[in-house]
Amino acid sequence: NAGVTQTPKFQVLKTGQSMTLQCAQDMNHNSMYWYRQDPGMGLRLIYYSASEGTTDKGEVPNGYNVSRLNKREFSLRLESAAPSQTSVYFCASSGGDSTYSGNTIYFGEGSWLTVV
Amino acid sequence: QKEVEQDPGPLSVPEGAIVSLNCTYSNSAFQYFMWYRQYSRKGPELLMYTYSSGNKEDGRFTAQVDKSSKYISLFIRDSQPSDSATYLCAMSQWTFGNEKLTFGTGTRLTIIP
Repeated sequence: NAGVTQTPKFQVLKTGQSMTLQCAQDMNHNSMYWYRQDPGMGLRLIYYSASEGTTDKGEVPNGYNVSRLNKREFSLRLESAAPSQTSVYFCASSGGDSTYSGNTIYFGEGSWLTVV
Repeated sequence: QKEVEQDPGPLSVPEGAIVSLNCTYSNSAFQYFMWYRQYSRKGPELLMYTYSSGNKEDGRFTAQVDKSSKYISLFIRDSQPSDSATYLCAMSQWTFGNEKLTFGTGTRLTIIP
């Protein structure tokens, strides 16, 4: 049981390049999330998907697009990378069922992205 | 002003000491309160969660919520070097299908052997 798997783990991009971060979960969760983590800013929500076929903006969506490909996979795309997007990106998933247990949000290992 | 405030530390204590980590918040609609532990170069993992006010104990860890003061705490008893990590508080006003969390910035903790 791998949980939440993100690829790539490390990436260096030049300003203006595009790339896609891939995320997959094997826990049959309904909800998936993309966060970024920056020093002094904590974890901030970029986009989330409450269920297959739906996506919504989070706190910091500008410069990103997402695709909920199916129930397992949720990708994050940077169309034209900027140095301000240098960060650590975390994908997460949760059960999203009708009860809240509190222990349903699981994070991946992170993707370290540097834009030069 | 941030919705959730957390002292970033760093905090260094000797092995065996009691550690107290704290967060304050401003949104009175938060109902669920969580503590995540994050080791270096890893993703956060859920440590404790509580609903509404009160205490919750799990082994050496105790989570405390005071909604009247908008203040939450995590206590670690008999601290171990393996407890060295960054601790993130998180909160949500959960509605079905929308479990968005608001995180504190994290406190970096080092337990000195």
